[in-house]
Amino acid sequence: DTAVSQTPKYLVTQMGNDKSIKCEQNLGHDTMYWYKQDSKKFLKIMFSYNNKELIINETVPNRFSPKSPDKAHLNLHINSLELGDSAVYFCASSQGGGNTIYFGEGSWLTVV
Amino acid sequence: GIQVEQSPPDLILQEGANSTLRCNFSDSVNNLQWFHQNPWGQLINLFYIPSGTKQNGRLSATTVATERYSLLYISSSQTTDSGVYFCAVVTGNQFYFGTGTSLTVIP
Repeated sequence: DTAVSQTPKYLVTQMGNDKSIKCEQNLGHDTMYWYKQDSKKFLKIMFSYNNKELIINETVPNRFSPKSPDKAHLNLHINSLELGDSAVYFCASSQGGGNTIYFGEGSWLTVV
Repeated sequence: GIQVEQSPPDLILQEGANSTLRCNFSDSVNNLQWFHQNPWGQLINLFYIPSGTKQNGRLSATTVATERYSLLYISSSQTTDSGVYFCAVVTGNQFYFGTGTSLTVIP
């Protein structure tokens, strides 16, 4: 059983489209995250969310929005996709902010 | 924000060699974690080590929080150790990743 799972693993889409990446964790964790890994391999926090608080990295464009239907899911919705959004997006979770963090396998997004 | 720098940025080793990777951080942190990103992109937890020393097989890690650094030791390296090694520090309940060390182990 995969602890943190993301779908889709690969996504190729045109500029201007709206897309979502889904994330589910079965670890019972209360905090979930989205990270973006660019072509230089740098991992940057986009959002962290638990049932009390959403923390948004101020550098993230408001075209990106996290949606959490319940504690085990944190989906990433992206509006009006741009070429620069091409990257690998990782979902992660932890029990409490700052404890051991577990990553999903990543979603490779290519905007053409 | 906190700065997390890793060195060296790139490392090439002959199989069987030992290496030390370093992670420096600019401010006090609550916790620190080491990851290995394999060539397929998976991020694998290696150590959760806010302080002290831990060992797991050929890998060990030491964090000296008061001096704001952590070290990852790889002994008797194998080709499967290739990939990028990241440290991530926790401050204010947020994880911040270092710049990574790209390791290539050649047979």
